[in-house]
Amino acid sequence: GENVEQHPSTLSVQEGDSAVIKCTYSDSASNYFPWYKQELGKRPQLIIDIRSNVGEKKDQRIAVTLNKTAKHFSLHITETQPEDSAVYFCAAATGGGNKLTFGTGTQLKVEL
Amino acid sequence: EAGVTQSPTHLIKTRGQQATLRCSPISGHTSVYWYQQALGLGLQFLLWYDEGEERNRGNFPPRFSGRQFPNYSSELNVNALELEDSALYLCASSFAPRPLGGGELFFGEGSRLTVL
Repeated sequence: GENVEQHPSTLSVQEGDSAVIKCTYSDSASNYFPWYKQELGKRPQLIIDIRSNVGEKKDQRIAVTLNKTAKHFSLHITETQPEDSAVYFCAAATGGGNKLTFGTGTQLKVEL
Repeated sequence: EAGVTQSPTHLIKTRGQQATLRCSPISGHTSVYWYQQALGLGLQFLLWYDEGEERNRGNFPPRFSGRQFPNYSSELNVNALELEDSALYLCASSFAPRPLGGGELFFGEGSRLTVL
C-alpha cells in the first residue's frame, strides 16, 4: 500500500520568514495530494491540494509543488504569521475514492 | 450547514471492554472515513464506508469494525480494548467517490478514547 513520509517533524521560523515542508510517497499511481492544517484541539482542515497533472498550485501565501518523477511534493508558506502555527499533514490518494494516506505531520511554530 | 458531528466527545474504558463511537456526516455526503490519531503517529486510516458498504480497510486488527447506516451515519466499534487503543478517533465525510479520486474530506472534532 501507499506510504507517505513527511519532514521535518518540527519547524520553527520567525514571523515573516518562509516555511517549507516536504513529503515523499511510494505509490506511483497516487494522483491526488492534499495538505491539511490542524490547529491545537481543532479538526484537520484542507488548506490546498494538487492533482498529478499539475506541477504547482498557489493560493495567496501558500503554494504546493509536485515532482511525479521523484515522487515528492512540498508545501511552501511565505510571509509566515503567528496564526500559521499548527500541525500540517500531507496526504496522498490513489485511484477512485478519497481514501487518504497521511504523513506523520509537521509541527510549525511561528515565533514573533 | 452542520458539519461532521461525532459522539461521545470523550470516552473512558478499561482493558477488555468494548467502545462504540458514532459519526454523522455532512448532509449530502455518502462516504464516511475513520482515522485513528495517536500521539506522534499522524492520522492512521481505519475504515471507509460508502453507500452502506465497507470500501476499504486499513492495517488494523479485526476487533476494529464498523458500519454505515441507511442515513449515511456510521459507528466504529472497538472490541477487547487494549491500552494502545487510546487515541483520538476522527471521522470524516465526503461526497461520493469520483472515478479519478481526490476530494476534500471534512473532519469532525473527534472522540477521545482513553483505555485504562
